[in-house]
Amino acid sequence: KNQVEQSPQSLIILEGKNCTLQCNYTVSPFSNLRWYKQDTGRGPVSLTIMTFSENTKSNGRYTATLDADTKQSSLHITASQLSDSASYICVVSGGPAGNKLTFGGGTRVLVKP
Amino acid sequence: EAGVAQSPRYKIIEKRQSVAFWCNPISGHATLYWYQQILGQGPKLLIQFQNNGVVDDSQLPKDRFSAERLKGVDSTLKIQPAKLEDSAVYLCASSFGKWANTGELFFGEGSRLTVL
Repeated sequence: KNQVEQSPQSLIILEGKNCTLQCNYTVSPFSNLRWYKQDTGRGPVSLTIMTFSENTKSNGRYTATLDADTKQSSLHITASQLSDSASYICVVSGGPAGNKLTFGGGTRVLVKP
Repeated sequence: EAGVAQSPRYKIIEKRQSVAFWCNPISGHATLYWYQQILGQGPKLLIQFQNNGVVDDSQLPKDRFSAERLKGVDSTLKIQPAKLEDSAVYLCASSFGKWANTGELFFGEGSRLTVL
């Protein structure tokens, strides 16, 4: 069964600190992996999309990594800001039909001043 | 560029009542998706349209949920009769291409349903 597992479920960090979110998947075959940011009460917004050949991609203070061999990805937030408080969702596309999106449960991040 | 528009943003109903949600995708986007997001979970696909045809509705509870996309533009998702477990945020998304895995997916703000 194609699955996407994220950890931790939630974390609290102090403003200015760094943090790393994890995403493990079993989706096969793999097409691409995306990270979305979802503010409370809003729809998800794309941060990065990575294909099989990409192992690092940055978007401002967000850096995503991908290890397609171990089927793991991480999202690193540098110098966190209060506005980074949100849920971060890992989404993997692929599967037998090649076109399905499988969503992780998300990691809720709370940045405290 | 206008984003994906959804309404209403919030709806509270009693169980066994009906409710309808509306979505207007980004102009020119052929593919429209409805997702259900239960609190604390990731979105779950309910139905995918390409233009006005259904591509995937395998996870749509067809005994109570229905959706249509007349004229291949805006779409309506209906629940009748509602159950307590239908309490969730209903997200509409659109993409330019046919398949979500090959293009960017843009989400609306969502419609939050509370069933009492």
